[in-house]
Amino acid sequence: AQKITQTQPGMFVQEKEAVTLDCTYDTSDPSYGLFWYKQPSSGEMIFLIYQGSYDQQNATEGRYSLNFQKARKSANLVISASQLGDSAMYFCAMREDTGGFKTIFGAGTRLFVKA
Amino acid sequence: DTAVSQTPKYLVTQMGNDKSIKCEQNLGHDTMYWYKQDSKKFLKIMFSYNNKELIINETVPNRFSPKSPDKAHLNLHINSLELGDSAVYFCASSPPMAGPRGDTQYFGPGTRLTVL
Repeated sequence: AQKITQTQPGMFVQEKEAVTLDCTYDTSDPSYGLFWYKQPSSGEMIFLIYQGSYDQQNATEGRYSLNFQKARKSANLVISASQLGDSAMYFCAMREDTGGFKTIFGAGTRLFVKA
Repeated sequence: DTAVSQTPKYLVTQMGNDKSIKCEQNLGHDTMYWYKQDSKKFLKIMFSYNNKELIINETVPNRFSPKSPDKAHLNLHINSLELGDSAVYFCASSPPMAGPRGDTQYFGPGTRLTVL
């Protein structure tokens, strides 16, 4: 069973607008971590934001925020005021505390920011 | 001041050869990982070491052998390379879970392996 689902293979957004990248996850572990990473065309994996399963508030890091809806098992990434440099692949990931603390990545969403 | 470094960045080799990829981190982290990213960008964990001890060993052919000489290094040796081994290999490291960013993994720049 797929543990991390990113249903949007590709998305377009106009520069300066906000965009939401969807991520749903599946776990029965009460303790887990959720992550978003950005991979630009240059290939490196850049950490964006982290949300712990027990965190009461949604995580924010600059223009990035994570819309954490625990009951729905969703962890959507919101990018505000999109910039051309935001064009990249975005990966959602989950680390469960059981099963050896393995981190599983989603298939990714490719974001295109239009000028 | 690279946090997680990998060498080489590119590796082109013939089928059947043996090759190694080196990884070093200067973040003081206890845990290190190897991931494989295929041509469809799917990222899958291969191995994880914590304080030089193997803690995750996914279903990876025996031709792949990680070695951690110390906490700051995790190397990947691949024997008898096959065409299907062509991919980008990422090393990563992470701190313990406590802290505002949990056990966030920090990735190296990747090694693009091409097997001809």
